[in-house]
Amino acid sequence: AQSVTQPDIHITVSEGASLELRCNYSYGATPYLFWYVQSPGQGLQLLLKYFSGDTLVQGIKGFEAEFKRSQSSFNLRKPSVHWSDAAEYFCAVGARGTYKYIFGTGTRLKVLA
Amino acid sequence: EAGVAQSPRYKIIEKRQSVAFWCNPISGHATLYWYQQILGQGPKLLIQFQNNGVVDDSQLPKDRFSAERLKGVDSTLKIQPAKLEDSAVYLCASSDTSGGGETQYFGPGTRLLVL
Repeated sequence: AQSVTQPDIHITVSEGASLELRCNYSYGATPYLFWYVQSPGQGLQLLLKYFSGDTLVQGIKGFEAEFKRSQSSFNLRKPSVHWSDAAEYFCAVGARGTYKYIFGTGTRLKVLA
Repeated sequence: EAGVAQSPRYKIIEKRQSVAFWCNPISGHATLYWYQQILGQGPKLLIQFQNNGVVDDSQLPKDRFSAERLKGVDSTLKIQPAKLEDSAVYLCASSDTSGGGETQYFGPGTRLLVL
């Protein structure tokens, strides 16, 4: 069965520091992989997605993620965090052909000035 | 391009009352999803429509929840009667699966509080 694990519930970083949010998945084949961001009171905004090809994916707002098949991971990174990045981040796995996602439980990011 | 629209944005009701949420997907998107997001958790799929047919409603509590998508465009999700544990954000999403697209685009959500 598919599953998604985001091991860190909360992460606090200082503004300007680098960021890495972890995502591990369980799926029998290569899934579609997504990162979404949710600001307070808002819906989910797509940051980036991986379908196939280059395993390093660039997204919006300076984010990138790397698909590592051997580790079943799709970690999100940003070299320098801005205060406006404070939000909740969700990793999602999509089963190819079903158009359905399973979401992780989210990581809440706090940015210190 | 207009995004996914949802209304109302907020709703407060008492338990055992009924409530309905509305969603208008991105124009041309064949697939529409309703999710429930309980505080501190990721979104959980309630129901998936392809045009006006149901693809998956396995996690929809059918004794109290119902949803429809007439004419394959707008959709309504209803809860009757509501329970305290239904307090959550209800998210609508759509995707252009007719074009092979796997990306879901989300609306702002409806925040429901059941007292």
